[in-house]
Amino acid sequence: SQTIHQWPATLVQPVGSPLSLECTVEGTSNPNLYWYRQAAGRGLQLLFYSVGIGQISSEVPQNLSASRPQDRQFILSSKKLLLSDSGFYLCAGQGWQTLDTEAFFGQGTRLTVV
Amino acid sequence: AQTVTQSQPEMSVQEAETVTLSCTYDTSESNYYLFWYKQPPSRQMILVIRQEAYKQQNATENRFSVNFQKAAKSFSLKISDSQLGDTAMYFCAFMKRGGSNYKLTFGKGTLLTVNP
Repeated sequence: SQTIHQWPATLVQPVGSPLSLECTVEGTSNPNLYWYRQAAGRGLQLLFYSVGIGQISSEVPQNLSASRPQDRQFILSSKKLLLSDSGFYLCAGQGWQTLDTEAFFGQGTRLTVV
Repeated sequence: AQTVTQSQPEMSVQEAETVTLSCTYDTSESNYYLFWYKQPPSRQMILVIRQEAYKQQNATENRFSVNFQKAAKSFSLKISDSQLGDTAMYFCAFMKRGGSNYKLTFGKGTLLTVNP
């Protein structure tokens, strides 16, 4: 089965510090990968998506960047965190080896910038 | 660009009753998928139901069914015999089928509370 490992689950970082969130995929190759942010109690905002190694599309200009150094690895980064970067970050993927197009999700990372 | 709109930020229903969550979308594509996802307090996203736009028959999964109106670009979710475990945030999502530039787009969500 297709799974995403996302870590850490919880993170508290000071303003101005760097950020690196990582997710890795198992059970499929060449997946589409996504980073979403969810504000407290609200909807999912698409931040980045990737259809292959080194291919990143940014949806919202902001203080974050994403990279995909390997087929099953997707990294969300920031050089200097802002208070407004606090939120719940979800990594998601879609595999194309079968006709199953549903997305599978990581457990999420709750980021608090202090 | 595709957009997904959920006009009901919050809804509540009594246990065992039926509730319908609304979703509309805007796209120029003719071939696509629509999804409903559930996010309980654990925050783990769970697929509830999926509809392929080229299929006229509405999808059904046990107590969950959809009313897919392609011309109206409407995709509502009906939950029958509501249970306390149905309490969650529900997201409607859209994805183009085929070609390139895939993107899974979500609505802002509807918080459903099932009351005993």
